[in-house]
Amino acid sequence: DVKVTQSSRYLVKRTGEKVFLECVQDMDHENMFWYRQDPGLGLRLIYFSYDVKMKEKGDIPEGYSVSREKKERFSLILESASTNQTSMYLCASSSLVHEQYFGPGTRLTVT
Amino acid sequence: LAKTTQPISMDSYEGQEVNITCSHNNIATNDYITWYQQFPSQGPRFIIQGYKTKVTNEVASLFIPADRKSSTLSLPRVSLSDTAVYYCPAVDYKLSFGAGTTVTVRA
Repeated sequence: DVKVTQSSRYLVKRTGEKVFLECVQDMDHENMFWYRQDPGLGLRLIYFSYDVKMKEKGDIPEGYSVSREKKERFSLILESASTNQTSMYLCASSSLVHEQYFGPGTRLTVT
Repeated sequence: LAKTTQPISMDSYEGQEVNITCSHNNIATNDYITWYQQFPSQGPRFIIQGYKTKVTNEVASLFIPADRKSSTLSLPRVSLSDTAVYYCPAVDYKLSFGAGTTVTVRA
């Protein structure tokens, strides 16, 4: 079974803090994705990566950056957290774009 | 640009069959059709994929007509635990999820 793990289930940070969200997959997938999910807006793609050291902007990259130094790990970075980044963050991995496997999510609250 | 449209919500009762239809606008010739299920406070779970005709697995069936402009996810004999949000994301180089269909199963 594919396992995608995320570093925290719940996280509370203050405005202006630098925030790191970690995601690790154990299936040797080339593709990894970061989404955020907000009520009424569905899942929105922030960044994705098709290979190590490679990254592509998704639909809402502003205020975020990513890092992929190893194939199994994809990190999402909030350089200076703001209250409008309070959300559920979901990581996914895949070998085929249409068949993605999601982690449990990190519920981030920025106060 | 590929886009999908599906109903916002559906209600059902235990033991009934639930059919959710998704419209696939501008679907590319070689794109697969996929469906995901999401329970509260969990990440979405991939449940089924198809290219054309009918696909069945232990969770659901997927019907795709020849023109591939729509797909129907069929959940047989639903139970309370099938209450979830179901998505048919548009597929190109990425998945584009909309708000999904909230299926509520009542006793």
